[in-house]
Amino acid sequence: QVRLVQSGAEVKRPGASMKVSCETSGYSFTDHYVHWVRQAPGHGLEWLGWINPFNGDRSFSQRFQGRLAMTADAATTTAYFQLAGLRFDDTATYFCAISKGVGFLEYQLMTHWGQGTRVSVSS
Amino acid sequence: DIVLTQSPDSLSVSLGERATITCKSSQSLLYRSVPKKYLAWYQQKPGQPPKLLISWASMPESGVPARFTGSGSGTDFTLTINDLQAEDVAVYFCHQYLNTPWTFGQGTRVELK
Repeated sequence: QVRLVQSGAEVKRPGASMKVSCETSGYSFTDHYVHWVRQAPGHGLEWLGWINPFNGDRSFSQRFQGRLAMTADAATTTAYFQLAGLRFDDTATYFCAISKGVGFLEYQLMTHWGQGTRVSVSS
Repeated sequence: DIVLTQSPDSLSVSLGERATITCKSSQSLLYRSVPKKYLAWYQQKPGQPPKLLISWASMPESGVPARFTGSGSGTDFTLTINDLQAEDVAVYFCHQYLNTPWTFGQGTRVELK
């Protein structure tokens, strides 16, 4: 059974950094991309990026150029998302999700999701 | 960035009736060399993460009830829920994964009338 368990809620000050973990189990970690998506309160979904745990390849939204980092630790089958220079509008629930597979027509599809991690940026 | 505009923003439907949600893309989502339409539909219930319903505009995920169907051309897409059930009450999002940044529609809330 595929499971994605994310770290707990965080409260951060503006300018600080956040790090969310996504501990996975029940599947082969390197056979699926890990995606990150966020959802601001009462708002829609925003794609942040993905990482291929097999080779470390990444793609991410240029909106977060220089602020975003994604890593994947195959030894612990855990993925991490970091965002630096937090702003009030970074307040959101951050989700990890894994892809259907690594194939050309699979890596884009987010089939299993974590429960979400609420990050609040407040002074 | 590709902009996806859903309509309506919310929809009230009686049990057993049909719900139709449209998603208009600011550019074609058809990748001709494949050829496939890079559009998916997700369902999100309160307090839950999104759930993938349909990919490639019209391909349902395993286990998705047959009452959910997707269709569309390069820029105009539709999610239809036939014979609406109580458990279908949710927010539905379209999502393009053709060009980065991948984007989502603003969501359509489906409620029971």
